[in-house]
Amino acid sequence: DAGVTQSPTHLIKTRGQQVTLRCSPKSGHDTVSWYQQALGQGPQFIFQYYEEEERQRGNFPDRFSGHQFPNYSSELNVNALLLGDSALYLCASSPDFGGAGYTEAFFGQGTRLTVV
Amino acid sequence: DAKTTQPNSMESNEEEPVHLPCNHSTISGTDYIHWYRQLPSQGPEYVIHGLTSNVNNRMASLAIAEDRKSSTLILHRATLRDAAVYYCILSSGGSNYKLTFGKGTLLTVNP
Repeated sequence: DAGVTQSPTHLIKTRGQQVTLRCSPKSGHDTVSWYQQALGQGPQFIFQYYEEEERQRGNFPDRFSGHQFPNYSSELNVNALLLGDSALYLCASSPDFGGAGYTEAFFGQGTRLTVV
Repeated sequence: DAKTTQPNSMESNEEEPVHLPCNHSTISGTDYIHWYRQLPSQGPEYVIHGLTSNVNNRMASLAIAEDRKSSTLILHRATLRDAAVYYCILSSGGSNYKLTFGKGTLLTVNP
């Protein structure tokens, strides 16, 4: 099992551009969450996708959007990039047990985005 | 989300036990206590979780106070590979929970 895979691992973008990050969840997992981790800080929740719908969202502007595909993989899109968007973007996956029981989240290695 | 308080950093020697504390005085009855750790240049990884009773797994033990307002992650014999940032997190568990990370505790393990 490859676990959670993210691509690309690193990228550099210019202020004002748009970026798309990709995530493949762990096999058997149907729920994908995205987090942003600034340098020296803990990860901050962006949003979560389940059944191709955004299920919940953190305190991030509309410039951050996402998508989940029928195979459960997911994309994070950020428009009109700002210097402050430079961070490590983490994807986490977990199975959905219909609200019953405990599930742990499995994280990918992240995508390091640098905005210049 | 209920808040947790952890020391910014702790230091340990290799092969000695490590006790990482976490205070969560506003914990609700349905909140699980989760511990994740993040090794350098990696994404966070699950360590252990508990609700009311103490828990053991192959990685660590979790001791939960009787009033649930604090907990302690115990690494029985620290190794150099355990050097990481350790996060104590509260959430309702289940599949649609989100993890609210603080700054965590940076654990340094000395050889």
